[in-house]
Amino acid sequence: DAGVIQSPRHEVTEMGQEVTLRCKLISGHNSLFWYRQTMMRGLELLIYFNNNVPIDDSGMPEDRFSAKMPNASFSTLKIQPSEPRDSAVYFCASRTDRGGEKLFFGSGTQLSVL
Amino acid sequence: KQEVTQIPAALSVPEGENLVLNCSFTDSAIYNLQWFRQDPGKGLTSLLLIQSSQREQTSGRLNASLDKSSGRSTLYIAASQPGDSATYLCAVYGGSYIPTFGRGTSLIVHP
Repeated sequence: DAGVIQSPRHEVTEMGQEVTLRCKLISGHNSLFWYRQTMMRGLELLIYFNNNVPIDDSGMPEDRFSAKMPNASFSTLKIQPSEPRDSAVYFCASRTDRGGEKLFFGSGTQLSVL
Repeated sequence: KQEVTQIPAALSVPEGENLVLNCSFTDSAIYNLQWFRQDPGKGLTSLLLIQSSQREQTSGRLNASLDKSSGRSTLYIAASQPGDSATYLCAVYGGSYIPTFGRGTSLIVHP
């Protein structure tokens, strides 16, 4: 298995532009988490999906952020319009929800908003 | 709300030392605890997962223990090597199945 795959690895954009981050889950996994990591705040949960349904989106900063799971193996996180304070590393992670199962992370997307 | 604290925040040791990294959590109603390693510029790699019914897990030179009643877990690294240099994070899973992460311990093992 290729693991959790994220794209792009790096994204540099200008303030006000739309940014779309992508994530492919491990085959057979049905839970997906989007995290944001910064030096100041560490790892912050943005949103959690289970079986394609958003279960907890309380960590989504504001309406500029949106996340979708158009199918069971793929997710997108969109920021529109982007701001410099959105600069961070964005991770997605997946697992099965059978209980006692490990969480697997992608390599992350380094986002820089100028 | 679950809070996870990791002490120390940073650690620098000579090669060969045995190390203990600490993770404490405020809500003992957990069902899993997972230790991760993160190398600079990389994602998180799972090291060990302890279920709430277990007291410890071992993998090679790593041993993780869990004491739910006191809200603590420790990661023991035996005979540390420069390749162990990384940030180590613990994640606590509550009833909602959503993991809460600590801020991590940054470890440097120098030759």
